[in-house]
Amino acid sequence: QSALTQPASVSGSPGQSITVSCTGTSSDVGGYNYVSWYQQHPGKVPKLMIYDVSNRPSGVSNRFSGSKSGNTASLTISGLQAEDEADYYCSSYTTSSTHVVFGGGTKLTVL
Amino acid sequence: EVQLVETGGGLIQPGGSLRLSCAASGFTVSSNYMSWVRQAPGKGLEWVAVIYSGGSTYHADSVKGRFTISRDISKNTVNLQMNRLRAEDTAVYYCARDTYEGRLDPWGQGTLVTVSS
Repeated sequence: QSALTQPASVSGSPGQSITVSCTGTSSDVGGYNYVSWYQQHPGKVPKLMIYDVSNRPSGVSNRFSGSKSGNTASLTISGLQAEDEADYYCSSYTTSSTHVVFGGGTKLTVL
Repeated sequence: EVQLVETGGGLIQPGGSLRLSCAASGFTVSSNYMSWVRQAPGKGLEWVAVIYSGGSTYHADSVKGRFTISRDISKNTVNLQMNRLRAEDTAVYYCARDTYEGRLDPWGQGTLVTVSS
């Protein structure tokens, strides 16, 4: 059982927007603006897409955006493209001794 | 170019030990937080351990007392000593540069550890 809760799957058609949620507690997501999102294509290495809730690393498309409300963070992908089909993981800083906690991952299918 | 390369994975019997190494280039390991993250076959990401720039270390409860993260400043590497391995430790192990805020970037290509008799 993962520390952060994500939906197992989401889907959308090309050009549409989708949102992936990530729910934690006040000890992690809700307590700090230190949520990150990672994209992982099958057989590939995870790639940082969003950090500190809403910041994009250099080179990441502005179709990817992040936000947070209370104990729930969200990743929104607008203008869906076939290449966006992948697994997405959220993570958060945590005050527990584990330092970082991950969500269980969400499989995005582009219809 | 900032790069991480893990080595040391392989097939090991339950109860055995293995030492993973992660060689960094383009930055200094001792000036950064460094973490190990694992991914069991077909499963999600699980944070395993971190070593802070100041040298403090923390381990996930699932590996505490069995795994130890360390670093070699002279070689600019981060290591993961894994003892008393169990079948459930089977996974691809990634090392990643970390930050206080828990931002993991970049990641190495990963090394597969298979615990089986």
